[in-house]
This record gives sequence, C-alpha cells and structure tokens, in this order.
Amino acid sequence: QLQLQESGPGLVKPSETLSLTCTVSGGSISSSSYYWGWIRQPPGKGLEWIGSIYYSGSTYYNPSLKSRVTISVDTSKNQFSLKLSSVTAADTAVYYCARHPSPYSSSGKVRIGAFDIWGQGTMVTVSS
Amino acid sequence: QSALTQPASVSGSPGQSITISCTGTSSDVGSYNLVSWYQQHPGKAPKLMIYEGSKRPSGVSNRFSGSKSGNTASLTISGLQAEDEADYYCCSYAGSSSVVFGGGTKLTVL
Repeated sequence: QLQLQESGPGLVKPSETLSLTCTVSGGSISSSSYYWGWIRQPPGKGLEWIGSIYYSGSTYYNPSLKSRVTISVDTSKNQFSLKLSSVTAADTAVYYCARHPSPYSSSGKVRIGAFDIWGQGTMVTVSS
Repeated sequence: QSALTQPASVSGSPGQSITISCTGTSSDVGSYNLVSWYQQHPGKAPKLMIYEGSKRPSGVSNRFSGSKSGNTASLTISGLQAEDEADYYCCSYAGSSSVVFGGGTKLTVL
C-alpha cells in the first residue's frame, strides 16, 4: 500500500533554511487524482498546513508562510520536498507529509481535500 | 485565516456518546462541505476519521460520525471505548486553495 516517509536534518540553525524530502512508495506521485502536502505540529500544539503540490509542479501555500516556503516535486524519484527559509525557534515542530485529493470545483479552482495518508513525521529543532 | 475553534477537552465514560464541535466562519466551514476530522494518539501521525463532512474512510468504525450546521461542524463518537482516547482535530477548506485546522480537542475516556 502507499506509504510516505519524511527525511532530512533534525537540527537547523536560526536564520538558515530547513529542507525536508518526502519519499512516496507503493504508488506513483504522478497520479492525476492526488496532491501532496506538508503539515507541521509544534511540540504540544495543533496542526498547521504549510502547503501542497501537484505532480505537474503547481503549488499552493499557507498565506502566513508563503514568503518563506518553497515546495517542489521530483517525479523521477517519486519525491516532493519542502524548503522553509529564515527559520526561527517558532519553526521547531514535527513535520508531516501527506496525500490529499482535490474535490471537484465548478469554478475550476483547486480545492484541498482530506489528508488521507500521512508519513510518520520527522522532528525538526531550530537551535544554535 | 484564523484557526477553527474546538473545545480544549471533552470526556466521557465507556459506552457513552460524545460530540466535539468545530466552529469556523462563513468563509470556511459554512461555505464548503469539506470538513475533515483526524484522530491522533500520542507520538503518532494523525489518522483520517471523517472527510467531506460526514463520510467515513474504509476501515473507520461506524461509531464515528460527522455533521455540520451553519458554521459549526461536529464529530460524534458513540459507544466510547478506551482506544478512542486521543486528540482530535478538525480541518476545513478555506477557499483560495488553502485549508485551516482547529486547535485540537483532547478526549479522555473516564
């Protein structure tokens, strides 16, 4: 069955760029039915959507993080990646990757559906 | 884009039913039938329990049900079991290709 696995450094220095990769196995990231997203959870706090990408490269970002976030896809490796720049201690969190559909919209605008498959998450600490 | 409002905690005894509310606005919960609910046990990734307001993914117990009225969505768990003790999060499409999560509710099974 489809599985997602996050990978990347567990420690990042303040002001630097956090970089994570999500590897999709058991299925193709190029499926026309699904999008791929990043969600994070600071210790003891709730979930926050960071952004999503389609296999074609179309991206959708949380407005509050948009200026610092870049999500990219590598279909040849069945991976998608997250870069978050100028990190501070507030970016310390467990970062999850997840799959979601885009339910039909009569306007043609991409909608974000439920996150149905998640990776196990990876803890990233921002500290000098 | 503000977080959806959930009660910090709810509790119930085994066999009872509980309901967790998720209050948004006319820009998110009230405008779209795209509310989802997630169960998260400590140290684990969230698990999808309800999507599109009231639909259950394959494998999720029919003790879990979802509904919506106006700007408020609800998750009801009937026949509470010890294994239901977890954190629960709601999530809604918020327009402009974005989503917003609730702050989470800790469910305690007494």
